[in-house]
Amino acid sequence: NAGVTQTPKFQVLKTGQSMTLQCAQDMNHEYMSWYRQDPGMGLRLIHYSVGAGITDQGEVPNGYNVSRSTTEDFPLRLLSAAPSQTSVYFCASSKPLREGQNEQFFGPGTRLTVL
Amino acid sequence: QQQVKQSPQSLIVQKGGISIINCAYENTAFDYFPWYQQFPGKGPALLIAIRPDVSEKKEGRFTISFNKSAKQFSLHIMDSQPGDSATYFCAATRSRGSNYKLTFGKGTLLTVNP
Repeated sequence: NAGVTQTPKFQVLKTGQSMTLQCAQDMNHEYMSWYRQDPGMGLRLIHYSVGAGITDQGEVPNGYNVSRSTTEDFPLRLLSAAPSQTSVYFCASSKPLREGQNEQFFGPGTRLTVL
Repeated sequence: QQQVKQSPQSLIVQKGGISIINCAYENTAFDYFPWYQQFPGKGPALLIAIRPDVSEKKEGRFTISFNKSAKQFSLHIMDSQPGDSATYFCAATRSRGSNYKLTFGKGTLLTVNP
């Protein structure tokens, strides 16, 4: 299993440009999520999905869109990039909760710079 | 509202020493408390987790202590090694129902000097 994969690894955008961060998992996990990591801010949830066709907002959703057409893929779209979106983005996936367990598997991250 | 507060923000420990990271939570519905370890340039990975029906869980050199009445839990790293140098995140969630969301603390950067 490749686990959780993210592309690209690095990206530089100009203000106002759009792009899609790709995330895929091959573990047949129902739950997928996107986080951003900024210095001193920890991991903040952007959007999440509990299954194909179902998405919901997290803590910091503004400026980002998501869709979940398949179990495997969960792309994150920036429609009009802003310097405040400069961050490291992590995608994560997990199995359905059972017996009080919830191990989220994280991808390697995408480092995004918006000029 | 920060639901999980983590301290310290950074920690420097000598090789062989004990590293202690503390977290406090507010939501009494939380019933699963994992710790994640993140090395530079990598995604976080689950290190160890605890449920509130036990007060302590140990895996090798890593131990979680849990105080339900105080709504606090901590990570202890015994015999700390330079290879333990990483950022550590505590987290909390409700395990029942369809809530899959983890609430993370802000992280602790641990440096273990040789």
